[in-house]
Amino acid sequence: KNEVEQSPQNLTAQEGEFITINCSYSVGISALHWLQQHPGGGIVSLFMLSSGKKKHGRLIATINIQEKHSSLHITASHPRDSAVYICAASNTGNQFYFGTGTSLTVIP
Amino acid sequence: NAGVTQTPKFQVLKTGQSMTLQCAQDMNHEYMSWYRQDPGMGLRLIHYSVGAGITDQGEVPNGYNVSRSTTEDFPLRLLSAAPSQTSVYFCASSYDHGTEQYFGPGTRLTVT
Repeated sequence: KNEVEQSPQNLTAQEGEFITINCSYSVGISALHWLQQHPGGGIVSLFMLSSGKKKHGRLIATINIQEKHSSLHITASHPRDSAVYICAASNTGNQFYFGTGTSLTVIP
Repeated sequence: NAGVTQTPKFQVLKTGQSMTLQCAQDMNHEYMSWYRQDPGMGLRLIHYSVGAGITDQGEVPNGYNVSRSTTEDFPLRLLSAAPSQTSVYFCASSYDHGTEQYFGPGTRLTVT
C-alpha cells in the first residue's frame, strides 16, 4: 500500500492547455511537497504547503487537509513544462513519503 | 552557493566491489538524506542524518553505510555492490525536518 498516490501516471497535453495533477495521501502530515524532475534527472522543489493554496508563476498548488488531497495546476502549459511531477508528504518524524510521479508531456 | 553536489555522476561497478558516493552541501543544513530512485517506484530513503555525528536508517538501508563527521558532507558507502543496487542515487539536504529539500544532481550507478 502506497502512502501517497498520484494520478494520472502519464499525461499528454497540447501547448496552452490547463493541466491538473492529483495527489492523495493516507498518512498524517506536517507538509505536502510538489517536486519537478526534468528529463536530465535533476529534482527541484516547487511547493511546500500545509494548508490552502500557493501560486508561483503559472503553477498553483492546493491542499485539502480534511480530504487528504492536493492538486498541482499548470495554466497555459508550455513544452518546457514537460517533466515528471512528484508529490511527497512529510511528517514530524523526518519521514518523506513519495508518490511514483506523473510524467507530463506538453506538445507544441 | 553550489547547493548540493554529488560525485560521481556515473559509475559502473562489478559485483562485490565497494565504493563511496560523495555528497556535500554549503547551505549549513542540518538534515541530509540519501535516496534511491528505481523505475516505477517513488524515491526511497536509504539513510538520513539530523546533524553531524548522528545518522539513522531509512526504508532500505541494507548494503549501505553512512557517516556524518561534518555538517557539509554525507558520504554513502556501498560495502559489496550487488546488481540490486543498480539505481539512481540522490542526496538531499534541508534546514529542518519536513522542510523544503534541496536535491543533488544524482549518481547513476550500474552494478554488473
